[in-house]
Amino acid sequence: SQQGEEDPQALSIQEGENATMNCSYKTSINNLQWYRQNSGRGLVHLILIRSNEREKHSGRLRVTLDTSKKSSSLLITASRAADTASYFCATASMNRDDKIIFGKGTRLHILP
Amino acid sequence: EAGVAQSPRYKIIEKRQSVAFWCNPISGHATLYWYQQILGQGPKLLIQFQNNGVVDDSQLPKDRFSAERLKGVDSTLKIQPAKLEDSAVYLCASSLAGGSGQPQHFGDGTRLSIL
Repeated sequence: SQQGEEDPQALSIQEGENATMNCSYKTSINNLQWYRQNSGRGLVHLILIRSNEREKHSGRLRVTLDTSKKSSSLLITASRAADTASYFCATASMNRDDKIIFGKGTRLHILP
Repeated sequence: EAGVAQSPRYKIIEKRQSVAFWCNPISGHATLYWYQQILGQGPKLLIQFQNNGVVDDSQLPKDRFSAERLKGVDSTLKIQPAKLEDSAVYLCASSLAGGSGQPQHFGDGTRLSIL
């Protein structure tokens, strides 16, 4: 069963532009994580944001969480070719014994 | 630190055959996960181990899939017999401890193709 759902499914932008992807979920969560997956590789953890936090930063990444809207966004500023990858949100539901469920992901393509 | 190691990287078998995947987690990580990732989708948890005990195997098709984690370190995932719908990437991940507050570290997976 799917908890988080990313939007858009695919995104193409020019190098240097900012990329924003969103994650919506259905039930209350303990925390939400974002992961990146390059083609043919495993997932890499980017950021974890807890339910009592509203914003976190890591380098060029900014994550926001709005629990009232049950949504999160991942912003990548000044995109680079190396940012081309799939990005997944993973939610830990309060109602499902803290189990982590991954969304289907957003495929980001940075154009040179 | 060395990452999560998985082998083989690729495997092609015919339906009804059996296959096994191996995972060596990051040293000291108590929790180990096996995921199935079908093309175009996110990873789906098959089984979670805490040391050598099973925490969650609710989505493991137990009539054909089995997994073990001997001595709380390495793990193997087996499929017997394989079906066409088992074609996917099988990812292993580990974390320092259980609970959703710990980031998971993934291996590069085994890509399984069923003919």
